[in-house]
Amino acid sequence: EVQLVESGGGLVQPGRSMKLSCAASGFTFSNYGMAWVRQAPTKGLEWVATISYDGSSTYYRDSVKGRFTISRDNAKSTLYLQMNSLRSEDTATYYCTREQLPLDYWGQGVMVTVSS
Amino acid sequence: DIVMTQTPSSQAVSAGEKVTMSCKSSQSLLYSENKKNYLAWYQQKPGQSPKLLISWASTRESGVPDRFIGSGSGTDFTLTISSVQAEDLAVYYCEQYYDTPLTFGSGTKLEIK
Repeated sequence: EVQLVESGGGLVQPGRSMKLSCAASGFTFSNYGMAWVRQAPTKGLEWVATISYDGSSTYYRDSVKGRFTISRDNAKSTLYLQMNSLRSEDTATYYCTREQLPLDYWGQGVMVTVSS
Repeated sequence: DIVMTQTPSSQAVSAGEKVTMSCKSSQSLLYSENKKNYLAWYQQKPGQSPKLLISWASTRESGVPDRFIGSGSGTDFTLTISSVQAEDLAVYYCEQYYDTPLTFGSGTKLEIK
């Protein structure tokens, strides 16, 4: 059974950093691209970033370019999202997803609140 | 960026009724080389993460009831639920994966009368 379990969220002040993790199991992690998608409270879904199966290619939405970094450790079957210079508009539930054209499995999500 | 427009924003139906919801893209999602439409539908029930229902505009994922039917091509797509059940209460999102950034529609909220 495919499982994606996010961790690392919480309350953070504007301008500070936070790193999210996603532990994957139930499939060969190194064979799949992965992505982060977020959802602000009571809002819709917004793609954040994608990383290729081997980590050689990464893609970001414009609003997080230069602030967020997606990475992976295939030996640990873990996906990461390093978030720097956080803003109030980054407040959202962040979902880890497997990207198999389209996003075929989603984690339960982790809440990130950016507030002073 | 490809803009995805979903209508209606909400819809209330009785159990057993048929419901249709629309998703339109600002450019064609049909890739000429493989004749596939890069369009997916997701279901998000209250308090849950999204679940993939349909990929390639009309291919149901394993385990998805056959009352969920995806159709359309190019820029116009439809999700039909042939006979709504109480457990179908959810927000339904379409998503294009033709190009980066991946983009989603704003969702159709399905309410059961």
